[in-house]
Amino acid sequence: DQQVKQNSPSLSVQEGRISILNCDYTNSMFDYFLWYKKYPAEGPTFLISISSIKDKNEDGRFTVFLNKSAKHLSLHIVPSQPGDSAVYFCAASAGGNKLVFGAGTILRVKS
Amino acid sequence: EPEVTQTPSHQVTQMGQEVILRCVPISNHLYFYWYRQILGQKVEFLVSFYNNEISEKSEIFDDQFSVERPDGSNFTLKIRSTKLEDSAMYFCASSSGEDEAFFGQGTRLTVV
Repeated sequence: DQQVKQNSPSLSVQEGRISILNCDYTNSMFDYFLWYKKYPAEGPTFLISISSIKDKNEDGRFTVFLNKSAKHLSLHIVPSQPGDSAVYFCAASAGGNKLVFGAGTILRVKS
Repeated sequence: EPEVTQTPSHQVTQMGQEVILRCVPISNHLYFYWYRQILGQKVEFLVSFYNNEISEKSEIFDDQFSVERPDGSNFTLKIRSTKLEDSAMYFCASSSGEDEAFFGQGTRLTVV
């Protein structure tokens, strides 16, 4: 069951530059998308979300873009900071509250 | 800031034994969830709970699993007879139903 896919297992970015994390989904019933950040030995922490009626949502350094026709969303972090190094999970839900997670992308921000 | 708390942080159990994982969701939340993450794999939905009953469960959540809200604050996951493949991080989460789910720190279950 690969309804939510994060095809890049890892990403390495220089401090101060932009990090772009990508996510694709197959279920057209998904109407709410979230990004969670996870540090080792901790639970996922909510970062930012977007409803399917929008194509962009911004919160400080974090912006999520949604392209419904392509079933694609991305998370932009700018400028990237070393403390952003973590695993980033894309998640989606379809009308209810159950979340379907992607496999995660490990982000490393180098100083 | 309110948070979801889980106990214990690490549980080691013998195969075939019963385990109970405990969670205290955020107090005004109405929806409760259990997820798990087997090492190296993705976070997987197990079950959601609303209004004192299971609202949705995954294929993973078979008869060996059960959930309970024994009082107004705790939310528990019981695994009746643990198997080696039940070894994973188990995350409890809660939400108000109107926004994102908040996750606990997780319980690492090791079945030996």
